[in-house]
Amino acid sequence: QKEVEQDPGPLSVPEGAIVSLNCTYSNSAFQYFMWYRQYSRKGPELLMYTYSSGNKEDGRFTAQVDKSSKYISLFIRDSQPSDSATYLCAMRISGNTGKLIFGQGTTLQVKP
Amino acid sequence: DSGVTQTPKHLITATGQRVTLRCSPRSGDLSVYWYQQSLDQGLQFLIHYYNGEERAKGNILERFSAQQFPDLHSELNLSSLELGDSALYFCASSVLEGGYTFGSGTRLTVV
Repeated sequence: QKEVEQDPGPLSVPEGAIVSLNCTYSNSAFQYFMWYRQYSRKGPELLMYTYSSGNKEDGRFTAQVDKSSKYISLFIRDSQPSDSATYLCAMRISGNTGKLIFGQGTTLQVKP
Repeated sequence: DSGVTQTPKHLITATGQRVTLRCSPRSGDLSVYWYQQSLDQGLQFLIHYYNGEERAKGNILERFSAQQFPDLHSELNLSSLELGDSALYFCASSVLEGGYTFGSGTRLTVV
């Protein structure tokens, strides 16, 4: 079993839809949770960064962390064709090793 | 531009050869991480350096090695290359408890 599970999709939605992306994990020691966006095998771009449980909002993006369920989500409101990309969840434990564990990534297509 | 610089962008080489990938972290970031991304494996952690010292190793093959220099740039050395080593290699940098910033990657093709 992988430490971080993410449905690879693909996920196809119409422009303007609300998108929900999710990851589950098995290691209860994870403390830091991130979402990255990756276009066409370019470098991953950090979208959201959350410590421990709770919600964080940034523009059209909302990240949620539920540590009791070992479940994290990313919501994209008013999705745009430019949001079409692969979204990767990532997480790590506290401490100075800093190793990020990534999910497989979900491919999202937003159709005009 | 993320501030993390990787060179070269593309590399084509033959099996059995050795290559060196280079990474310059963002200004002020002491940590450098190397990741490999292949189509079927996703992003796999290779190694982490902090201020010149190795801090953690992941699934890094013995044929691969890395180092971080006093000016904080890092090099990933891949030797005795095999076809299966063809992948994207990413470098990322961070402050200790922060998110990572990734470079644009080096696409390695072994023929």
